[in-house]
Formats: sequence, structure tokens, C-alpha cells
Amino acid sequence: DQQVKQNSPSLSVQEGRISILNCDYTNSMFDYFLWYKKYPAEGPTFLISISSIKDKNEDGRFTVFLNKSAKHLSLHIVPSQPGDSAVYFCAASALRAGANNLFFGTGTRLTVIP
Amino acid sequence: DAEITQSPRHKITETGRQVTLACHQTWNHNNMFWYRQDLGHGLRLIHYSYGVQDTNKGEVSDGYSVSRSNTEDLPLTLESAASSQTSVYFCASSPELAKNIQYFGAGTRLSVL
Repeated sequence: DQQVKQNSPSLSVQEGRISILNCDYTNSMFDYFLWYKKYPAEGPTFLISISSIKDKNEDGRFTVFLNKSAKHLSLHIVPSQPGDSAVYFCAASALRAGANNLFFGTGTRLTVIP
Repeated sequence: DAEITQSPRHKITETGRQVTLACHQTWNHNNMFWYRQDLGHGLRLIHYSYGVQDTNKGEVSDGYSVSRSNTEDLPLTLESAASSQTSVYFCASSPELAKNIQYFGAGTRLSVL
């Protein structure tokens, strides 16, 4: 059973606009969340993370929001650029439980249209 | 520069053959992981290791094995390859201090015919 879900397989956005990628999780033990970006023929690369003690983390154009009560997180990219076109994976772990394993969502393919 | 490398990048094999995929990292990370990526499933954990001589099963470990004889390497072996194991395989490693930020290799595309 998928514990981390990304219900939108794809998203298209105009260059300069905001991209919002969504992720839901079911396991209440998850307390650390990450976003990875993946280009074709490359491995996933770490983008941004957030601990459950926060509800927002920002790094340049990338912001992750966490809503623990809804078990939902989102990644905002502002402004979107053509180089942001990639597959984005949401991942979660139960860090306080001592688990180093990551559970990944199925990914959302973002296309930024010039 | 420190890095994580996987070899081969592409492999075609026949059903029933034993196959070993290599993973080598030069970061001196204790934690290493193997995932497979399939359409509709994202990345699923096969096996992982928290240090030399330590190995653990992940979500989809059946038909796979790993061994950790040193810090740098975690080879993944398919004992008797099956068509269901056609996939893209990713190796990852993470340091102790930021355990949950994993750094990935470029992947190995395996086709079992």
C-alpha cells in the first residue's frame, strides 16, 4: 500500500508562473519530508526538505509547506523556469523512530513551457 | 570530487541468469540503499545497509541479495533474473549526520529477456 502519494502524474506551467506540486501521506509516524528532482537518464537529486516541527521551509525559488493535520505537503516553485522541467518525487521518513528509510511517491512530471 | 557510481549503466540478460549490479561511493557514507523505479510505483526500496557487514531487507527484496564487505561498495545480486525484474535500479548513500538526505547514482537500466 502506497504510504506516500502524488496524485498528479503531470503538470504543465507557463514560464514565470508558480508551480505547485502536491503530496499526501498516510503514516502518522512520518516526521521528515523531502523533495527530489529527477532528469531523464540521471539519478534523483535532493532539492529541499522539511521537518514536522516546521510548517514551511524556503530555499530560493523553492518553498515546501507542510500541513500535518491534513497529512499533506506541497512544493511551490516561483518563478518557474524551463530548466525546472523534470520529475519531482516526494519522500518521507520516520526520523525520530530511528528509521533511515525513505518512502517515495510515484512522482509528478513538471513541464515548464517557455 | 566524491561521488557515487553505478555500473553497468545498461544491461541486457536472460531469464535465469545471475546478475550483479555494482555501486561504489567515495563519500565514506555508512548508509547505502538500493531502489528500483517502475512506472506507477515510484522508487521502492530493495535492500539497505547501515555499515560494513550489515544488510537489511526493504519493501521488495524477494529475488535480490546484497553484501557489504567494505564502506565503499554495496553490490546488488539478482540470483536468478526474472522478467519482472526488468527495471531501472538506483543506488544511494547517506551520511550519519543528515541521515535522510540520500545521494543517488545515475542508475542502471536492466532488461531481462
